[in-house]
Amino acid sequence: GENVEQHPSTLSVQEGDSAVIKCTYSDSASNYFPWYKQELGKRPQLIIDIRSNVGEKKDQRIAVTLNKTAKHFSLHITETQPEDSAVYFCAALLGTALIFGKGTTLSVSS
Amino acid sequence: DAGVIQSPRHEVTEMGQEVTLRCKPISGHNSLFWYRQTMMRGLELLIYFNNNVPIDDSGMPEDRFSAKMPNASFSTLKIQPSEPRDSAVYFCASSLGPHTEAFFGQGTRLTVV
Repeated sequence: GENVEQHPSTLSVQEGDSAVIKCTYSDSASNYFPWYKQELGKRPQLIIDIRSNVGEKKDQRIAVTLNKTAKHFSLHITETQPEDSAVYFCAALLGTALIFGKGTTLSVSS
Repeated sequence: DAGVIQSPRHEVTEMGQEVTLRCKPISGHNSLFWYRQTMMRGLELLIYFNNNVPIDDSGMPEDRFSAKMPNASFSTLKIQPSEPRDSAVYFCASSLGPHTEAFFGQGTRLTVV
């Protein structure tokens, strides 16, 4: 069936380093790709999204890139801080359903 | 708006009992999603509704699971009979429609013993 693959499952970085999380999707018709952050014990919340008519989008320290030909998209966090520690989920709109990757646990140590 | 509201926040039940989870989406949102979150499987889409109509329930694990949306402001997810492997956090989310942000409720942590 339609799915979204996400890598890595865990990522540990030092404060100030960059973090990159990558996702691939199966449906070439997908055109909406949001990223969610989930802190421990809390609900997932949208941090950034991108639509298929653009290749890159930035919001302060966060950026997302999209390669529709290769069917993959990535989240880039620069100058990481301890408060960036959380689980990050990519998602893709497959048909009209929002399908999530399995998540990446990011740990930022100071 | 108070956001997506789910109840109960926590539910502990014995195997074999019926469990009903409730969700009130954000007013005006046309799409409603039910997800199940576990460590092993991540966020799994169980079912979603568009304008109160179930669009895709292929993610519902088995016949023990059922979901309804009788009106635009209320949805339920029912498990009957419940089993220990159903233990998870169940999230409800709503959005204005495709290509828009999905807002999650706080989730219901279900434990079946």
